[in-house]
Amino acid sequence: AQTVTQSQPEMSVQEAETVTLSCTYDTSESDYYLFWYKQPPSRQMILVIRQEAYKQQNATENRFSVNFQKAAKSFSLKISDSQLGDAAMYFCAYRSASWPGRFGAGTRLTVKP
Amino acid sequence: DAGVIQSPRHEVTEMGQEVTLRCKPISGHDYLFWYRQTMMRGLELLIYFNNNVPIDDSGMPEDRFSAKMPNASFSTLKIQPSEPRDSAVYFCASSFGGYSNQPQHFGDGTRLSIL
Repeated sequence: AQTVTQSQPEMSVQEAETVTLSCTYDTSESDYYLFWYKQPPSRQMILVIRQEAYKQQNATENRFSVNFQKAAKSFSLKISDSQLGDAAMYFCAYRSASWPGRFGAGTRLTVKP
Repeated sequence: DAGVIQSPRHEVTEMGQEVTLRCKPISGHDYLFWYRQTMMRGLELLIYFNNNVPIDDSGMPEDRFSAKMPNASFSTLKIQPSEPRDSAVYFCASSFGGYSNQPQHFGDGTRLSIL
């Protein structure tokens, strides 16, 4: 079965600095999609960024970018110029034809002023 | 556009009572998902529907849990009888296409507390 692993239960970053959140996954499928979601204290699940496995180019959304290493089955999220509003739980998610919704355990990010 | 709407936002009830959680997906979305979030187990997929038909309910913890989707705009998740270990946040999500780069759109969740 496909699994998604986030090995960092908690991370901390200084405001304006850069932080990288790790995600690895296990799959035998070649075609799939990967997502990062943000869950602030309000409990909403907000899409941060997505990556298609067939694309070699890493996705970027403003201050958020990913480092997608398909062979290593790694999908890390880099947050640049961290802001106080970035403090939240971050979930990595895997989606494919056989697994439409598989999430990691989450990483709690604290941003220090 | 309205997002995924869940009700109630909070539910507190006593052990043994029936609990019904409700979800209205985004119009036009053909997939609907129910998740449970706890500190211990994270975000677990309970069941999902495609065009109102349950596709995979292997995540449903036990027979006390049941889910229905009578039409494209409404789904329920029932727990009967409820137990304290069912306390969690339950999310409903919908998407267009089950296998695509279209993300799942989540509701605000229902925080369920079983006393």
